[in-house]
Amino acid sequence: KAGVTQTPRYLIKTRGQQVTLSCSPISGHRSVSWYQQTPGQGLQFLFEYFSETQRNKGNFPGRFSGRQFSNSRSEMNVSTLELGDSALYLCASSLNGVGGKPYNEQFFGPGTRLTVL
Amino acid sequence: QQPVQSPQAVILREGEDAVINCSSSKALYSVHWYRQKHGEAPVFLMILLKGGEQMRHEKISASFNEKKQQSSLYLTASQLSYSGTYFCGTFNSGYSTLTFGKGTMLLVSP
Repeated sequence: KAGVTQTPRYLIKTRGQQVTLSCSPISGHRSVSWYQQTPGQGLQFLFEYFSETQRNKGNFPGRFSGRQFSNSRSEMNVSTLELGDSALYLCASSLNGVGGKPYNEQFFGPGTRLTVL
Repeated sequence: QQPVQSPQAVILREGEDAVINCSSSKALYSVHWYRQKHGEAPVFLMILLKGGEQMRHEKISASFNEKKQQSSLYLTASQLSYSGTYFCGTFNSGYSTLTFGKGTMLLVSP
């Protein structure tokens, strides 16, 4: 079974620009969660999508948004980039999602490393 | 509600044991443990559920103390391959997101 894939793997943008990151979950998984990882902060939850609906949202500004398509692929968009948005963005897929079924393991993708200059 | 992990970092020699703790200020429903090696994605280790049994993954085991709202990860006879950053994620009753701690960096040397 193919794992979670994320594109692009690396991205360099300048302040004020916007960016779209893509995540393809494991076949059959309906839930995709997005996390921001920065040194010293661990994994910060952004949002979770399940069957094309945003089920949960973390404590991030509205500049961060996402969506999920009917094939479960998900995209994350960050508008008006700031220097502090530089991070590794990870997506994770699971069969039924974490919310509501706390015993589902998540499978992480390799991440997209975003650098904002 | 981010769980607190301790220690922040630990250095071991091959064959030594280590314990990583994860504490929450809120009632815990489940605790998830992941390991991330440098430059790689986090990999699932195990899930502990409220009222569940102690789990094992190879020579790694974990416990869940509901009273103390704490989970501990036990690495026995550590191997070089155990090196990485260990994250605990907590699912609190009444919440519906998995909240991760800041991680514990483990380095096993020969």
